[in-house]
Parts: sequence; structure tokens; C-alpha cells
Amino acid sequence: DGGITQSPKYLFRKEGQNVTLSCEQNLNHDAMYWYRQDPGQGLRLIYYSQIVNDFQKGDIAEGYSVSREKKESFPLTVTSAQKNPTAFYLCASKTSRRGQGNQPQHFGDGTRLSIL
Amino acid sequence: KNEVEQSPQNLTAQEGEFITINCSYSVGISALHWLQQHPGGGIVSLFMLSSGKKKHGRLIATINIQEKHSSLHITASHPRDSAVYICAVSRETSGSRLTFGEGTQLTVNP
Repeated sequence: DGGITQSPKYLFRKEGQNVTLSCEQNLNHDAMYWYRQDPGQGLRLIYYSQIVNDFQKGDIAEGYSVSREKKESFPLTVTSAQKNPTAFYLCASKTSRRGQGNQPQHFGDGTRLSIL
Repeated sequence: KNEVEQSPQNLTAQEGEFITINCSYSVGISALHWLQQHPGGGIVSLFMLSSGKKKHGRLIATINIQEKHSSLHITASHPRDSAVYICAVSRETSGSRLTFGEGTQLTVNP
């Protein structure tokens, strides 16, 4: 079954530590996205990647970093520079092939990050 | 003012009731999406539409491009429909990026 896998489901971080959230997809999608969700707010885009070895900042990229070395993987690192990292993080992917028009994004089940 | 506004924020219904969730947007769009977020947090895409109406089972989504408004209807609601329903738009100027509403928490009581 194709899909998006985020791990771990729950993650705890000490103050001053970097932590990396995993996102893997076997849908053969070119585009991948990282969102942050806070209570009472809509999802906000952190980073996105349209193709391997390329990525762009979203609306709230400060304190985060990403890499896209493989098509299947788009890990997100929450650095110590992110002052309020406690949130629910969602990864998504989408095909972006020409001729397929607008396509929906497929989402993972999310990772809930908390500060100890 | 948010570019995508949903109403109501919270909705409680009795099983069997007809439910409507509304979404208004203020930007030019290429498509509008309705998403369902389960209590565990995972999100499923329900509909993507750019005009007219789509139906899937008990769910119906409509969009009025001129009025910049969309509705999601659930007929014969059931407790398993309890979830957060999220409206999102693909903006004409931002390619594949989505702009999200804050979501509507729906609770259907037996």
C-alpha cells in the first residue's frame, strides 16, 4: 500500500537540542511539504520541495531546516533556534507531473513534538 | 482577516442530521480542497474542486466561484463523522502551495 510515513508519532525534546522528524513516501511523488499545526490555527507551511535536491522556505521557516537528498525522504530538523517548537507537525506529498493538472496532497499521520 | 475563513468553528449535531460547513476565501484560486482530520491527527483529502459540485457517498461539496464560497454537506450524519473538517485553497499565484482555514470541529452524538 502506498502512503506517507511519519515517525515517531510522539517526540520529546530538551531545551537547546536539535531534533529531526522523519517523513518517507512511496507514492513516487515529486513534491513534499512540511506543515505545523497549533491549536485554533490553520496549518502553516514550514518548507516545501518540488524536486530532489531543491527546497524552498514556506511561511514560518525560521528555526527549521530540511534536506531532500532522495525523492522518497524529506526530513525536518527543528533546531534550538526555534523558540516555540511544541506543535503537531504534518508531512504531505503530491505529484507534480505535467499533464496531471491540480492534484490533492496526501498527508501523513503527523508527529507531536513536546518540550521537556 | 484570514484569506480562508470557515464557519462555524464548532458544530454539534445529533445522529441523522444534515450538516453544512461553510468556507469563504478572498483570493484567486485554482482549486479548493476539503480535508478531514481524524482525532489521531491524520488528514485525508475528501474533495478537490474548481467548479460546481462533487458527491462521494454521504458527502457533498459545492463551490461558487463568483461568490468565493464553498460548502461541505454531510447527509444522515453519524458519530463516525466526528472530526475536524478543513478547507484549503490552491492560490492562482502560488503553484502547489495551499492556504488553510482554521478548521471546523464536528461532533455527532448518537
